[in-house]
Amino acid sequence: ELKVEQNPLFLSMQEGKNYTIYCNYSTTSDRLYWYRQDPGKSLESLFVLLSNGAVKQEGRLMASLDTKARLSTLHITAAVHDLSATYFCAVGYDMRFGAGTRLTVKP
Amino acid sequence: DARVTQTPRDKVTEMGQEVTMRCQPILGHNTVFWYRQTMMQGLELLAYFRNRAPLDDSGMPKDRFSAEMPDATLATLKIQPSEPRDSAVYFCASGFENYGYTFGSGTRLTVV
Repeated sequence: ELKVEQNPLFLSMQEGKNYTIYCNYSTTSDRLYWYRQDPGKSLESLFVLLSNGAVKQEGRLMASLDTKARLSTLHITAAVHDLSATYFCAVGYDMRFGAGTRLTVKP
Repeated sequence: DARVTQTPRDKVTEMGQEVTMRCQPILGHNTVFWYRQTMMQGLELLAYFRNRAPLDDSGMPKDRFSAEMPDATLATLKIQPSEPRDSAVYFCASGFENYGYTFGSGTRLTVV
């Protein structure tokens, strides 16, 4: 059974700093999705990664996929308060979710 | 913007009662997912459909849960009988596998 692990689970960072969230998964998959969830809200699609080496960028967020290492990263550049949220990766055609990374950006 | 519509938004029911949650996917989307979210278990896949055919419902307790897509504009999730441990937020999502998915606002279920 596919296992999806995210780390860290909690991340507190200062505005202006860079950081990376990791998503590891246990069985072969060529597709991975990243979502954002604000407290009490629904999930918002951020990125869809469909092949080995795929890289997508939107604003201060960049996501990449290494299918051979079974690893995706979500890199945050020069964090701002508005990025505070929980970030989820989901793996495979049946979108199995990781536990999420709760990001807090402090002034 | 097109949206996935879930009803009801909130539901409080007594243990043993039947609960039906509805989802109207975005028109034209061919894949529909049902998830349950709790603090303890996170986001659990319950079932998903492609072109209205069920592909995986292994995450559902089969004795009490059922998911159907009677037509392309409606997906339903039923719990009968409901139990307090079913209390959670239930999300529906629709989309295409290569383009990502749009989630509905969720149904917050409380079973007392």
